[in-house]
Amino acid sequence: GQQLNQSPQSMFIQEGEDVSMNCTSSSIFNTWLWYKQDPGEGPVLLIALYKAGELTSNGRLTAQFGITRKDSFLNISASIPSDVGIYFCAGYTNAGKSTFGDGTTLTVKP
Amino acid sequence: GAVVSQHPSWVICKSGTSVKIECRSLDFQATTMFWYRQFPKQSLMLMATSNEGSKATYEQGVEKDKFLINHASLTLSTLTVTSAHPEDSSFYICSGGQDFYEQYFGPGTRLTVT
Repeated sequence: GQQLNQSPQSMFIQEGEDVSMNCTSSSIFNTWLWYKQDPGEGPVLLIALYKAGELTSNGRLTAQFGITRKDSFLNISASIPSDVGIYFCAGYTNAGKSTFGDGTTLTVKP
Repeated sequence: GAVVSQHPSWVICKSGTSVKIECRSLDFQATTMFWYRQFPKQSLMLMATSNEGSKATYEQGVEKDKFLINHASLTLSTLTVTSAHPEDSSFYICSGGQDFYEQYFGPGTRLTVT
């Protein structure tokens, strides 16, 4: 099946810094989704990307759907303590298959 | 809006017993419900997709006789783990929505099998 390689696995940053994480695959995806999960909770959708090259923002978050359709990145600007959590990318193919990345654990030091 | 609840939030059961987890969409009708399991510090793995009134579609490698899914109404789906074993211990998360692009996740159920 499709695999998503998400990196980095974890990040420790200072409050106010910008963050960048990405997902890559050898497979092509139709849709990329980015989620945030707090400990002991279900994921919450942050951004959905439907078209290659698409750049979408949601507040301090910006995500892009790679031109090759095999990658996506998520940026968080001016991080704050409540950004702490695990960020997952998820891809969806034409064949109706979905795959989640392994997650990036973000720690923000005040 | 778009709230999904799960019950129980955590459960401990003995090996060999069965446990049922409920997933409810509280303020919308979920045409489709998804069930995932998540091991500590790992990603979500889709177990099955269910549409109201029809049989669930299981992902490869997921035993349908072990993980029984019922989606009897547009607001309720249940996952029953039958004859549970310690290796079934995990975090089970459901989601509901129209399709994969628009799914709202529940808070998860922590299952521990002793």
